[in-house]
Amino acid sequence: GAVVSQHPSRVICKSGTSVKIECRSLDFQATTMFWYRQFPKQSLMLMATSNEGSKATYEQGVEKDKFLINHASLTLSTLTVTSAHPEDSSFYICSAFDGTSDDNEQFFGPGTRLTVL
Amino acid sequence: AQKVTQAQTEISVVEKEDVTLDCVYETRDTTYYLFWYKQPPSGELVFLIRRNSFDEQNEISGRYSWNFQKSTSSFNFTITASQVVDSAVYFCALSEPGYSTLTFGKGTMLLVSP
Repeated sequence: GAVVSQHPSRVICKSGTSVKIECRSLDFQATTMFWYRQFPKQSLMLMATSNEGSKATYEQGVEKDKFLINHASLTLSTLTVTSAHPEDSSFYICSAFDGTSDDNEQFFGPGTRLTVL
Repeated sequence: AQKVTQAQTEISVVEKEDVTLDCVYETRDTTYYLFWYKQPPSGELVFLIRRNSFDEQNEISGRYSWNFQKSTSSFNFTITASQVVDSAVYFCALSEPGYSTLTFGKGTMLLVSP
């Protein structure tokens, strides 16, 4: 299957700082990328959907000014958590989707564990 | 609106037992996709299976098997002769064709003890 990478895999930061997470599709072009957040012992919750070259679509309750998403190319999307606070500590997972493929399958990155002190 | 229900929050079995994880879904679409993912303690989601709504054939892959029944809107997952390495959280998910988003169930944590 296709490979999606995320960087960093783990990050610890101080409250008030901003953190950028990268999501890359390594061997295919991702027309759409999704960002999920997962709190401990909970399911994945979709935060936003981003299409290459256009603004992201955020799910209800997700602050777009706090979680900045950029999908500048067909292989890279970034999520920036601005002015992070302890309640933003979570596991962030991206997935990538090739809209030109018939597979209709999202490929998931390995996740980024964010801890805000 | 789409919905996926995994009623079993946690299941504990002893190695070599068979175990079935239940998944019930709701959708108004006639065409849709169903998925199962495994999430081990490392956190990375592992794709297990995708099934489209027109294919009700049951599938077997090694110790894994899936039973898809549209009449009851269920897509259950059975592990035969469970092993300790099967311990993980398993998610059932549903998507629409053309692929907007995946709707995940809450997950079932499977604990297999030696």
